[in-house]
Amino acid sequence: RKEVEQDPGPFNVPEGATVAFNCTYSNSASQSFFWYRQDCRKEPKLLMSVYSSGNEDGRFTAQLNRASQYISLLIRDSKLSDSATYLCVVRSGTYKYIFGTGTRLKVLA
Amino acid sequence: SQTIHQWPATLVQPVGSPLSLECTVEGTSNPNLYWYRQAAGRGLQLLFYSVGIGQISSEVPQNLSASRPQDRQFILSSKKLLLSDSGFYLCAWSAGELFFGEGSRLTVL
Repeated sequence: RKEVEQDPGPFNVPEGATVAFNCTYSNSASQSFFWYRQDCRKEPKLLMSVYSSGNEDGRFTAQLNRASQYISLLIRDSKLSDSATYLCVVRSGTYKYIFGTGTRLKVLA
Repeated sequence: SQTIHQWPATLVQPVGSPLSLECTVEGTSNPNLYWYRQAAGRGLQLLFYSVGIGQISSEVPQNLSASRPQDRQFILSSKKLLLSDSGFYLCAWSAGELFFGEGSRLTVL
């Protein structure tokens, strides 16, 4: 079983739609959780950290479920510019950041 | 503010040739530094991390090596490249979250 698993997609959604991604992790001792966005042929960029209480940044909401060992990302009112690959990242240990393979999102006009 | 740069951005090298990728961080001291590789259509794989000058930890056996000659400089090297070394190489530093350089795209022919 992979340490961090994501549905690769692609998720094709119309503009204005709400879309949700899930990510599961295997190490129950994992300490920190993040969502990154990666555009084609570019470096990953931090979208948001995921806190135990859940957090929201504009149209984006992230949640953590430690009991079931998954994190989620919800995007409301999708924009064409949201089209990208979304990477789930789990930190297990001080220096060990484990990346999922990413979920591709395409927002269609 | 902190910035991270890596170069070259793109390179095409023949099999058996040497490699040197450089990464520098500005605006912070004693950062934790990382080298990741992303093969086409795959997730990020941690290659090396460093917690200080001369301190290198390797995550996977390979024909690559890393060095940290200065506090904010991290170098990825190879004496003889293989076809399988092709990929997108990313340098990063951490402060809780990971922050990436722009990446170096290597094609080995």
